[in-house]
Amino acid sequence: DQQVKQNSPSLSVQEGRISILNCDYTNSMFDYFLWYKKYPAEGPTFLISISSIKDKNEDGRFTVFLNKSAKHLSLHIVPSQPGDSAVYFCAASARYGGSQGNLIFGKGTKLSVKP
Amino acid sequence: DSGVTQTPKHLITATGQRVTLRCSPRSGDLSVYWYQQSLDQGLQFLIQYYNGEERAKGNILERFSAQQFPDLHSELNLSSLELGDSALYFCASSLPGGIPRTSGGQRGDTQYFGPGTRLTVL
Repeated sequence: DQQVKQNSPSLSVQEGRISILNCDYTNSMFDYFLWYKKYPAEGPTFLISISSIKDKNEDGRFTVFLNKSAKHLSLHIVPSQPGDSAVYFCAASARYGGSQGNLIFGKGTKLSVKP
Repeated sequence: DSGVTQTPKHLITATGQRVTLRCSPRSGDLSVYWYQQSLDQGLQFLIQYYNGEERAKGNILERFSAQQFPDLHSELNLSSLELGDSALYFCASSLPGGIPRTSGGQRGDTQYFGPGTRLTVL
């Protein structure tokens, strides 16, 4: 059973517009959420994270929103740039519940930003 | 640069052989994780070590094993290799989950990934 789901395998956006990547989770013990960006043949790069005590975290062009009641988070990229084209992974962690430190990853969404 | 190093970058070997992949974690990180990514698949968690001890196991085959040494570097051993073992193997490291990192408000269980080892089994 997938505890972290990214239901859109791919997303195409025009340069300068907003990219919105979505992620849903099922485990209510998750209390920390992360987004990673991955280029082909490279390791995932940490992008931004959010604790469950917050509902929004911003870092430059990247904003993550968390809706705990809906068990949903999203990553907004504004404005999108061609260099943002990559696979984005959502991940979640539970401090308690026997999985301390172990991240559960979604399957990823491939973002293409067209010039 | 994440601060996590992996060697070798590329490895080509034959079926039935055994290989060892090496990972050095970020300075101060106690946990090491191994992941496998095959052909545009997602990241498959294999195993986690924390301060020298196995902490969690994922979808790791019995032909695969790992260890973490006193200096905290880790090795992933893959034996009796099959064609299907061809993949990218990533190592990641983190602090213990309850310890905050000193910058950016990130929690300690934020994992930082190495560049990966591409294994090709012929």
